[in-house]
Amino acid sequence: DQQVKQNSPSLSVQEGRISILNCDYTNSMFDYFLWYKKYPAEGPTFLISISSIKDKNEDGRFTVFLNKSAKHLSLHIVPSQPGDSAVYFCAASRSTGTASKLTFGTGTRLQVTL
Amino acid sequence: DAMVIQNPRYQVTQFGKPVTLSCSQTLNHNVMYWYQQKSSQAPKLLFHYYDKDFNNEADTPDNFQSRRPNTSFCFLDIRSPGLGDAAMYLCATSEQGAWQPQHFGDGTRLSIL
Repeated sequence: DQQVKQNSPSLSVQEGRISILNCDYTNSMFDYFLWYKKYPAEGPTFLISISSIKDKNEDGRFTVFLNKSAKHLSLHIVPSQPGDSAVYFCAASRSTGTASKLTFGTGTRLQVTL
Repeated sequence: DAMVIQNPRYQVTQFGKPVTLSCSQTLNHNVMYWYQQKSSQAPKLLFHYYDKDFNNEADTPDNFQSRRPNTSFCFLDIRSPGLGDAAMYLCATSEQGAWQPQHFGDGTRLSIL
């Protein structure tokens, strides 16, 4: 049972345009959501997060939106740059008090074309 | 630079031969995690340590064990690797508490002959 779903395995966007990556989750106990970026042969790198008490968080070109009623979050990248080409993982966490245990989606491969 | 380092990057072992993967961190984080990622799948949490307190996930096979001798190091031991254990193994750390991002190493790719 996949609790975090990224239904688009890949996405291609032109440089300068907006990239929108989507993620759905099923477990209402999740209270913290993160996006990670992964280049080939490297580990995932933390990008941006949002807690369940917010519906939007911005960091430079990256904005994450959370719609709790729809159990949906999205990552907007604007403007997209060639260096943004990577696999993006959505992750959700249920806090245990001492740790945040992540449940990942399967990732979306973003390609930013010139 | 503070970081999470995994050794080796690539490990080949024989079917049934015990293998140990290593993770070290300079972030001084209380919590360390081990994930397994098979090809085209999501990383899956195996277990985590809060300081020396070990927390196993319910569906982690008994074949997988872990040791954390001190804050900086954590090991993943696979007692009798099967072909299905071939995967990328990712180590991560975080500060304690809720809503803390995890910081990952570059992983160890394990192959089973």
